[in-house]
Amino acid sequence: NAGVMQNPRHLVRRRGQEARLRCSPMKGHSHVYWYRQLPEEGLKFMVYLQKENIIDESGMPKERFSAEFPKEGPSILRIQQVVRGDSAAYFCASQHGTGGTYEQYFGPGTRLTVT
Amino acid sequence: AQSVAQPEDQVNVAEGNPLTVKCTYSVSGNPYLFWYVQYPNRGLQFLLKYITGDNLVKGSYGFEAEFNKSQTSFHLKKPSALVSDSALYFCAVRDFQTGANNLFFGTGTRLTVIP
Repeated sequence: NAGVMQNPRHLVRRRGQEARLRCSPMKGHSHVYWYRQLPEEGLKFMVYLQKENIIDESGMPKERFSAEFPKEGPSILRIQQVVRGDSAAYFCASQHGTGGTYEQYFGPGTRLTVT
Repeated sequence: AQSVAQPEDQVNVAEGNPLTVKCTYSVSGNPYLFWYVQYPNRGLQFLLKYITGDNLVKGSYGFEAEFNKSQTSFHLKKPSALVSDSALYFCAVRDFQTGANNLFFGTGTRLTVIP
């Protein structure tokens, strides 16, 4: 059973370009979370999605950031017109069911560098 | 509001000695508590969780954690440290009362086990 997969692992973008980060959850998991980790900091929640629905996007900046989890295919975190402050590690996590007792399983992350 | 504090940025311990990584939390209701470990350039790996029941929780790789409601703490422990335990450790909480599904993370504690 493959774990959570993320690609690319490393992404370099110039300021103003778009970044697309992909996440495939563990098999059988239909709940996906995106977190951002700045250097030497903990993870900060961005968005929580179920298939075809955004459940909670309270941690995601209102502008330039969007996320989706289509019926088929991976979840996508999209950052438009990237700025240097977007440089961070972005982690995706999946969870088997709804409810607080379930642990989340994390992917290896995408390290975004904005030059 | 939920929060997690890991008061020590760095913990050093000699191989074979017991280790403790501290975590305190603040939630409005009953907490769900988690410990994760992160190795360099990797995602977070789940170690253990406290949901309810016995205050002493046993997890992966010989780690355990003790839930103390009066002190609002959830310290991670291991009786005998290994060099391979050297990594970044994160405590996380989910607030049962609010039903929030995302995890709130501490800023992490870097554990170094000295041979």
